[in-house]
Amino acid sequence: EVQLVQSGAEVKKPGESLKISCKGSGYSFTSYWIGWVRQMPGKGLEWMGIIYPGDSDTRYSPSFQGQVTISADKSISTAYLQWSSLKASDSAMYYCARRDSSSLAEYWGQGTLVTVSA
Amino acid sequence: EIVLTQSPGTLSLSPGERATLSCRASQSVSRSYFAWYQQKPGQAPRLLIYAASSRATGIPDRFSGSGSGTDFSLTISRLEPEDFAVYYCQEYGRSLGTFGQGTKVEIK
Repeated sequence: EVQLVQSGAEVKKPGESLKISCKGSGYSFTSYWIGWVRQMPGKGLEWMGIIYPGDSDTRYSPSFQGQVTISADKSISTAYLQWSSLKASDSAMYYCARRDSSSLAEYWGQGTLVTVSA
Repeated sequence: EIVLTQSPGTLSLSPGERATLSCRASQSVSRSYFAWYQQKPGQAPRLLIYAASSRATGIPDRFSGSGSGTDFSLTISRLEPEDFAVYYCQEYGRSLGTFGQGTKVEIK
């Protein structure tokens, strides 16, 4: 069974750094792209970027380029999304999703809620 | 960049009624790369339809997708209580892909 399990909710202050994770299981982690999706409170879904854990090829949405870093550790089947300096506007739910060869996102993590508040 | 516009924003219907949701693309989209997702409060999106009209694993046949070019639709033939949720269309063939802004199907 394919599963993506994300790290737990985080409460941070503006300016702090953060790294959240997404652990894949039940499939070959290095053979599928993993993407990160932001959902701000009461809003829709936005792709932030994707990574291919097999070779760490990473692509970002122009809206998120330079704002976050996506990485992966294939030895532990885990993808990451990190911020070096959080802003209040980064408060959102973040989902990871596995993309198949046609870029279809069939499997999703349960989401990680990030709250940034002074 | 493709923009997907969903209508209506909110659909108020009763259980047992038929729901038709629309998604219009700013430019032509390949049917092979068009999907619909359902999202309930506090849950991750769930894939319903891919390749415009193929149901994902485990999706009841009351859900159907159709369309081509710039106009796509999702139909729920008879609404069950568990179908009241937000629905998103998505194009996934170009760049990272794009989601529509969502249609909320609420109980009337």
